[in-house]
Order: sequence, then C-alpha cells, then structure tokens
Amino acid sequence: GAVVSQHPSRVICKSGTSVKIECRSLDFQATTMFWYRQFPKKSLMLMATSNEGSKATYEQGVEKDKFLINHASLTLSTLTVTSAHPEDSSFYICSARETGGSGANVLTFGAGSRLTVL
Amino acid sequence: QKEVEQNSGPLSVPEGAIASLNCTYSDRGSQSFFWYRQYSGKSPELIMSIYSNGDKEDGRFTAQLNKASQYVSLLIRDSQPSDSATYLCAVNRALKTIFGAGTRLFVKA
Repeated sequence: GAVVSQHPSRVICKSGTSVKIECRSLDFQATTMFWYRQFPKKSLMLMATSNEGSKATYEQGVEKDKFLINHASLTLSTLTVTSAHPEDSSFYICSARETGGSGANVLTFGAGSRLTVL
Repeated sequence: QKEVEQNSGPLSVPEGAIASLNCTYSDRGSQSFFWYRQYSGKSPELIMSIYSNGDKEDGRFTAQLNKASQYVSLLIRDSQPSDSATYLCAVNRALKTIFGAGTRLFVKA
C-alpha cells in the first residue's frame, strides 16, 4: 500500500528558531498533500493543503507566514515552522492522497512529528 | 455546529463485547466517509472507508452509513484490549478530509 514518510519524528528547539518537517510519498505520486496539527487529546486540525508546483492553501486562522509550505515535487512537501514559540509545540502530521489510484479518496498519513519548543 | 461530531467518550466495553461508535456530519453533499484508529502518540491509521448507504463489513469491523440521517457508525465485534484507542470519524468535503474530535474506546480485559 501507499507509504508516506515523515521526519523528523521528534524535534526540540529553542524559542525563535525555525524547524523544517519533511513529508515524502515513497511509492506513489501526490499532487496534493495535507498538513494537520494535533494538540493533546484533541482532534486533527487541517492547517493547509499543499499543492505541487503552486502555493499552498491555508485554512482560516493559520498564519501562512509562520507555517511555510513548499511542495516542489510530486513526492515531497515540507512544512517550516518559522520563529517557533512554545505555543507552536504540537504533533504535526502530513498526509497524501494517491493521485489517480483506486483508493484516490483515502488519505495515507505520515508517522507525525512531535515539536517541542522550549 | 461542527462539521463532524462524535461523542468524545470514553466508551468502556468488556473484552468480547460489541463496541458501537457513532458520528454525524453536517455537509449533506459529502460522499466519502472514513473511520481511523489512533493510538496515543501515533498517527491515524485507516480502518474502514464507506461511500454508499448501508453496511460494509471487514473482519470484526462493520461501518454503517445513512446519508439521509447524515450518520455514520462503526461496530467492533469481539472487542479486544488492543482495540483500545481513539477512533476518528472523517468526512471528505471537496478535496479536504475533515475529522471529528474522536471517541476514546477502552476495552477491559
């Protein structure tokens, strides 16, 4: 089945630094990837839709200048949390939908990245 | 009104019993519905997808969809302690997948 690789799985950084998280589709092409954030005991909140070769589409209330998304190829999307602060500490999960596959409506998730900002 | 609503639980059932998880959604135009399982600290994994009214069975899991009532459910038969997790209902809206808050299930040995 479709596999999405995400790393780093855990990152601890100092307040004010930037952190980059990578999301790769390993055995399929994904023109669209999705970035979610999950706070403890809360549901997944869609942050943005990452579109290959074009700008990401951000959900209401998500700062696009703080959460930079780049989708430079059909298999790679990156999320950069710029000038991270403690309130950005969360579990960030990427997902991808296989382009044209039989399970085209189904999301495959990466393993997630737990960000802790000190 | 939230787009996807679930009872947060926790739902506690004894081992071997049937666990019933429910979900309602607000967008009548939704066409694709999913149940994901999420263990603590892990990312969600797909259990079932359902696209048409009625029941869909896969092993111990049965998903039920009623579009007229905007209602999706998941039944877990012969519940096992390893089924203890948070179950997320998800609905596709346009090209996005929207998740409910999840129901925490505990299966007691």
